[in-house]
Amino acid sequence: QKEVEQDPGPLSVPEGAIVSLNCTYSNSAFQYFMWYRQYSRKGPELLMYTYSSGNKEDGRFTAQVDKSSKYISLFIRDSQPSDSATYLCAMSAGAGKSTFGDGTTLTVKP
Amino acid sequence: GAVVSQHPSWVICKSGTSVKIECRSLDFQATTMFWYRQFPKQSLMLMATSNEGSKATYEQGVEKDKFLINHASLTLSTLTVTSAHPEDSSFYICSASLSRELITDTQYFGPGTRLTVL
Repeated sequence: QKEVEQDPGPLSVPEGAIVSLNCTYSNSAFQYFMWYRQYSRKGPELLMYTYSSGNKEDGRFTAQVDKSSKYISLFIRDSQPSDSATYLCAMSAGAGKSTFGDGTTLTVKP
Repeated sequence: GAVVSQHPSWVICKSGTSVKIECRSLDFQATTMFWYRQFPKQSLMLMATSNEGSKATYEQGVEKDKFLINHASLTLSTLTVTSAHPEDSSFYICSASLSRELITDTQYFGPGTRLTVL
């Protein structure tokens, strides 16, 4: 079983929809939780990071962490075609390297 | 801020030759750099962790003699694929951690290098 599980999708939504992306994990030592966005043939870019449990909001993006359930989410409000990309969750225990999910491919249709 | 560059962005080489990929942090000092490879429609596979001035730590299954990593300064790490073969064709991506943010383990990625070995 992988330490981090992420539904690969693909996920297709109409423009303006609310998108929910999720990851589950098994390692209780994870404390730092990140979301990256990767466009085709490009390197991933950091979207958000959260320490421990709770919510964090940045514009149209909200990250949630529930450590008791070992479950993290990324919500995208008012989704745009430019949000079409692969979204990777990542987590770490603070030891210097992260464990990544396999990524969810999102398409937002105009 | 936190820009990471890679060079070249793509390279085609003949089987048996060696290819060097450079990873630079442009506006910050990176104590730690990471090298990944990514196959189409798959996630990132960590190859090695590189710390400035010390030997790289390779992940299990990654041949250290084939994938040579040098981290000579706080802004430059290089990956050399030696005696490349077609199965080494992949997308290679580096990332760097900001020294002051090392505790958060957030990484800033380069744009990637697409290697094709004929």
